[in-house]
Amino acid sequence: DIQMTQSPSSLSASVGDRVTITCQASQDIDDYLNWYQQKPGKAPKLLIYSTSNLEAGVPSRFSGGGFGTEFTFTITSLQPEDFATYYCQQFADLPLTFGGGTRVDFK
Amino acid sequence: QLQLQESGPGLVKPSETLSLSCSVSGASVASYYWGWIRQSPEKGLEWIGHITQSGTTSYKESLKRRVSISVDTSKNHFSLDLHSVTAADTAVYFCGKLWSGSSSGVPYFDVWGQGTQVTVSS
Repeated sequence: DIQMTQSPSSLSASVGDRVTITCQASQDIDDYLNWYQQKPGKAPKLLIYSTSNLEAGVPSRFSGGGFGTEFTFTITSLQPEDFATYYCQQFADLPLTFGGGTRVDFK
Repeated sequence: QLQLQESGPGLVKPSETLSLSCSVSGASVASYYWGWIRQSPEKGLEWIGHITQSGTTSYKESLKRRVSISVDTSKNHFSLDLHSVTAADTAVYFCGKLWSGSSSGVPYFDVWGQGTQVTVSS
């Protein structure tokens, strides 16, 4: 199985801050990486697919980049509704595997 | 607007079968891939498996001997059966629709249900 490692596991930030999360794959996954947002008690929501493509309706303050084994997820100006947990997930091969998550909370 | 809703017992006894259903509205189950994921504090998000429009299934290797996913087009829903459960199967279970046109050829979840807590305990 492809292991996905996210860092940090949590971070504290303020509204307006720039936030960056990293995700590392245990082997080359090309650009076959998605990012999901999950709020407490809710289902994960797909934000970014194939490393850098925003899902329809997702604000442009969200972005993603990387290739191969190293990936980043950035929120350029954190908004109140962005406080949540974010997960990376690879779809290079089955089984689909997820990172451990990064919880973004109020500083 | 596609909506998914899980249903099933919230408490299952060890060694019994966990059976969940996912009701689909806003789309036909015959038109897409469907699957299940679970989430627990111990294992995080864990892909269980999925089923294609043609009925082909793929399952997580470690669950393969115990799991079954099926589609009922007459009720427009799909189901998960997990046999011989233990406490390790306690989790929130999410059903979802998969996007089958990914660039890698491997489908991934693009719409999820709200999730349902299942506890395995006597």
